[in-house]
Amino acid sequence: EADIYQTPRYLVIGTGKKITLECSQTMGHDKMYWYQQDPGMELHLIHYSYGVNSTEKGDLSSESTVSRIRTEHFPLTLESARPSHTSQYLCASSSVVGYEQGTDTQYFGPGTRLTVL
Amino acid sequence: GQSLEQPSEVTAVEGAIVQINCTYQTSGFYGLSWYQQHDGGAPTFLSYNGLDGLEETGRFSSFLSRSDSYGYLLLQELQMKDSASYFCAVGDRDDKIIFGKGTRLHILP
Repeated sequence: EADIYQTPRYLVIGTGKKITLECSQTMGHDKMYWYQQDPGMELHLIHYSYGVNSTEKGDLSSESTVSRIRTEHFPLTLESARPSHTSQYLCASSSVVGYEQGTDTQYFGPGTRLTVL
Repeated sequence: GQSLEQPSEVTAVEGAIVQINCTYQTSGFYGLSWYQQHDGGAPTFLSYNGLDGLEETGRFSSFLSRSDSYGYLLLQELQMKDSASYFCAVGDRDDKIIFGKGTRLHILP
């Protein structure tokens, strides 16, 4: 059973607002990820982290930032929200497992559906 | 560049068998995974292949051929609840997971 949480689940805000999407996991996983996904479309990697104080940009990282001060927490911040940011944001975590041993399975949170007016 | 190719849509009949193919071209390879995502939900892990061959988990099986950069997900005894999107994903040398664009599976009664 995956224990990864995202808040808020739904958010409607106006253009120009600064927002932070929260993600927490209780599995002690080192790796955490943020994805953006429009309905029925592919997953776009925004940011990822290998562990505390480690953050890397993905393919779609502009206009957002992340931090990893604690293993369990990986918040995503949009400094100035725009209508183009309207989408679903999915947080995921995984453990560091060699592929010979099994899986580097990603566990996804329920997502935050963001609407920017 | 890095890419994973899978069909955008597949349609099958309830009770039948369906195969969803995935070919990949990545800078490194650390296993092929499959995820299922229902409308409005989050992706959930289905299976993983780190080595060549077939892995079976109940009604679902997954196959990998590293020499062909190819894998597939096989769903047997299809049920209406299997209607969802299915994503293949590859671990690359930068320790990221690269996802395909997803295959939408439609199941007819």
